[in-house]
Amino acid sequence: SAVISQKPSRDICQRGTSLTIQCQVDSQVTMMFWYRQQPGQSLTLIATANQGSEATYESGFVIDKFPISRPNLTFSTLTVSNMSPEDSSIYLCSVRTQGVSEQYFGPGTRLTVT
Amino acid sequence: AQKITQTQPGMFVQEKEAVTLDCTYDTSDQSYGLFWYKQPSSGEMIFLIYQGSYDEQNATEGRYSLNFQKARKSANLVISASQLGDSAMYFCAMRDISGAGSYQLTFGKGTKLSVIP
Repeated sequence: SAVISQKPSRDICQRGTSLTIQCQVDSQVTMMFWYRQQPGQSLTLIATANQGSEATYESGFVIDKFPISRPNLTFSTLTVSNMSPEDSSIYLCSVRTQGVSEQYFGPGTRLTVT
Repeated sequence: AQKITQTQPGMFVQEKEAVTLDCTYDTSDQSYGLFWYKQPSSGEMIFLIYQGSYDEQNATEGRYSLNFQKARKSANLVISASQLGDSAMYFCAMRDISGAGSYQLTFGKGTKLSVIP
């Protein structure tokens, strides 16, 4: 398995500001993903973080709003830009290790936008 | 496209009893994996169990087992000997594992399990 940490664990931010969330894994992983979970909802994939190249975004998510970096095989950041109350969610980093049966999640970042 | 359906928004179970959480899926993929995750109120997603579409045996992990019925496209989670700490949201998810498709995990809406003392 992989041990995943996220910073910050939670934050309260004002609308119009930006927050950068960090995801650190204790071992090199093949794939890293960012998910969003809005209150009372299931998880939705935002994007796949690609090492050394631009992230691959899912429909409904754009780079200007959710810029992502992945400088190496163990670290990624997600920025939530120009926040509005609708961005209040749990943001989760997820990693896939070598085996197809393995996909793990970080502890999540609980974001509240006021 | 893949779809996961969890028809039980909430379930109650007596402590020490077994409980089954339902999950049905729809996919055109030939090779796929099915996952179950537990989400306590803290928000973290805890991986519980995995079943591959070509696995002939049902997966088991401690008190968790997956009742996989491929023809019926169902992948129910069975928790034996429920404990108070099992109270949480449970999500069923699936992903194409052929290597040719999307790596995205598709989630169901979840089932909230409450264990009664």
